[in-house]
Amino acid sequence: DTAVSQTPKYLVTQMGNDKSIKCEQNLGHDTMYWYKQDSKKFLKIMFSYNNKELIINETVPNRFSPKSPDKAHLNLHINSLELGDSAVYFCASSYTGAKNIQYFGAGTRLSVL
Amino acid sequence: AQTVTQSQPEMSVQEAETVTLSCTYDTSESDYYLFWYKQPPSRQMILVIRQEAYKQQNATENRFSVNFQKAAKSFSLKISDSQLGDAAMYFCAYRSHNNNDMRFGAGTRLTVKP
Repeated sequence: DTAVSQTPKYLVTQMGNDKSIKCEQNLGHDTMYWYKQDSKKFLKIMFSYNNKELIINETVPNRFSPKSPDKAHLNLHINSLELGDSAVYFCASSYTGAKNIQYFGAGTRLSVL
Repeated sequence: AQTVTQSQPEMSVQEAETVTLSCTYDTSESDYYLFWYKQPPSRQMILVIRQEAYKQQNATENRFSVNFQKAAKSFSLKISDSQLGDAAMYFCAYRSHNNNDMRFGAGTRLTVKP
């Protein structure tokens, strides 16, 4: 069973569209995250959610909005997509606490044309 | 803010040999955690090894070990008996004790030559 799963794996869309990426974890973790990996492979955190509360938001445009219907899911919605949004987006989860390991999904490659 | 620096964009090693990947970080904190993650061509991020800053003993996981120098703020990864499957991007990461924020370095691409 996949611990952290993201869908879709690949997403190709036009500028200006709205899209969503889904993430689910079956590890019983209480914190979930979204990371963005740019074309130079630099990985940067976007959001994290703990018990449905946003606890990190790293200067991400408000076109990006995380939505967590329950503790096992954290979806990423992106409005009015721009060329610069093209990247690989990773979902991750962990138990609360810095010592705890974050487990990552396989990533979603978003291409904005 | 804490920063993580990986000064080697690319490294290569002969199969069965040993290679060391460098990582330095900048922090004013005394309690934190350090990680090495591996990202093979499949894109999956896989934890390789973890080190708690309060532990003096270097972490080891089979062929992987770290050289943690707290005073120098250095956290290098040593891969012994390199295998073809070790070829990947390796990311060093820092995590503060009191929050969930994890900072990654820019990565080192490791090539393993047969």
